[in-house]
Amino acid sequence: DAKTTQPPSMDCAEGRAANLPCNHSTISGNEYVYWYRQIHSQGPQYIIHGLKNNETNEMASLIITEDRKSSTLILPHATLRDTAVYYCIVSVTGANSKLTFGKGITLSVRP
Amino acid sequence: EAGVAQSPRYKIIEKRQSVAFWCNPISGHATLYWYQQILGQGPKLLIQFQNNGVVDDSQLPKDRFSAERLKGVDSTLKIQPAKLEDSAVYLCASSLKGSPNTIYFGEGSWLTVV
Repeated sequence: DAKTTQPPSMDCAEGRAANLPCNHSTISGNEYVYWYRQIHSQGPQYIIHGLKNNETNEMASLIITEDRKSSTLILPHATLRDTAVYYCIVSVTGANSKLTFGKGITLSVRP
Repeated sequence: EAGVAQSPRYKIIEKRQSVAFWCNPISGHATLYWYQQILGQGPKLLIQFQNNGVVDDSQLPKDRFSAERLKGVDSTLKIQPAKLEDSAVYLCASSLKGSPNTIYFGEGSWLTVV
């Protein structure tokens, strides 16, 4: 079973920030938070990951609460191409780690 | 750099028939995964290879599913005999290091069992 909880869906207006929440209250100390997204008819794509510090890359920002029980993925300026299912996953890192997907959150970006 | 290649892209078969899916991972990637994604759900790991050895096949229905990666490069996933509930997208993924942030997925092979 997935160790994360996400709302089933949300929407936002094009050009605005999209804030996608994730709860992972049973996360272990050595587990990272990973975000992947899946655009329709494509395979999942890695977005970002973090352990306890906030992280930012060219795609998104990841904010992890101090107790690490929840996190938020931020797409700063959502575009129509960001419409996708976003998966929040907790996992250890390393050669034999694996991704366990839940149902994810469907983000719809409206014009 | 070429991505993960899968074929066929689409396949329709009747129940009790057999089907095979092929995957060519990114060059140099030692870890290869097969996932099953049923409509409306997230992908579920079926099997994970490290080179040509199986790391995890705990969720592979071994009575009907089999997978091999004989030379540590290409891989084949076979279903025999197929059931209606096998209708899904079969995603192949590969990774250089095996860490979750280095996993790259193919576009998937869509299977419909009628």
